[in-house]
Amino acid sequence: EADIYQTPRYLVIGTGKKITLECSQTMGHDKMYWYQQDPGMELHLIHYSYGVNSTEKGDLSSESTVSRIRTEHFPLTLESARPSHTSQYLCASSEGGPNYGYTFGSGTRLTVV
Amino acid sequence: GENVEQHPSTLSVQEGDSAVIKCTYSDSASNYFPWYKQELGKRPQLIIDIRSNVGEKKDQRIAVTLNKTAKHFSLHITETQPEDSAVYFCAATFSGGYQKVTFGIGTKLQVIP
Repeated sequence: EADIYQTPRYLVIGTGKKITLECSQTMGHDKMYWYQQDPGMELHLIHYSYGVNSTEKGDLSSESTVSRIRTEHFPLTLESARPSHTSQYLCASSEGGPNYGYTFGSGTRLTVV
Repeated sequence: GENVEQHPSTLSVQEGDSAVIKCTYSDSASNYFPWYKQELGKRPQLIIDIRSNVGEKKDQRIAVTLNKTAKHFSLHITETQPEDSAVYFCAATFSGGYQKVTFGIGTKLQVIP
């Protein structure tokens, strides 16, 4: 089924660890995004990509990095996790053109202890 | 850049009553206005959208209105049901170039049985 998949769903890690949150979509969408969502609900854009080898920082400063080597894959990496990184991370993609809506993944809930 | 204000942040209604969520945007170039619903523990999902060449759009119990002159748009839910309880996000974007969506802060809707 064409969709966007995030793994892991939940992750608890220690401070200082390096982690990668995976995001893959099977819809052939060019545009992909990473959002951070706090318990207060608001969605903060942290990274986005308009295609292979294209990545940009979003509106919210983040210590994470992303890569886009393949159209379907947009992983997010934290080199050294801190408790302040505890949050939910949502990946999204969109086709653009006449159909502009986002499809969101189910999210990764990250806890750094 | 675009700025989207959304209110109220929380809304409680009795089952069967109507609910209205309002958003304003700042960039007159924005021409696409989607609404997303996020149920507890789930991903945001696109429920309805409207483009700037249309003043109103309906889908069963949900309707969205757009006033381009005043730069505001609203979500209307009639005959609310408990399953309408969720967080609703409005958003605005200019779809003519690189698509980057600006979200409102979200409205937590509670439908009381």
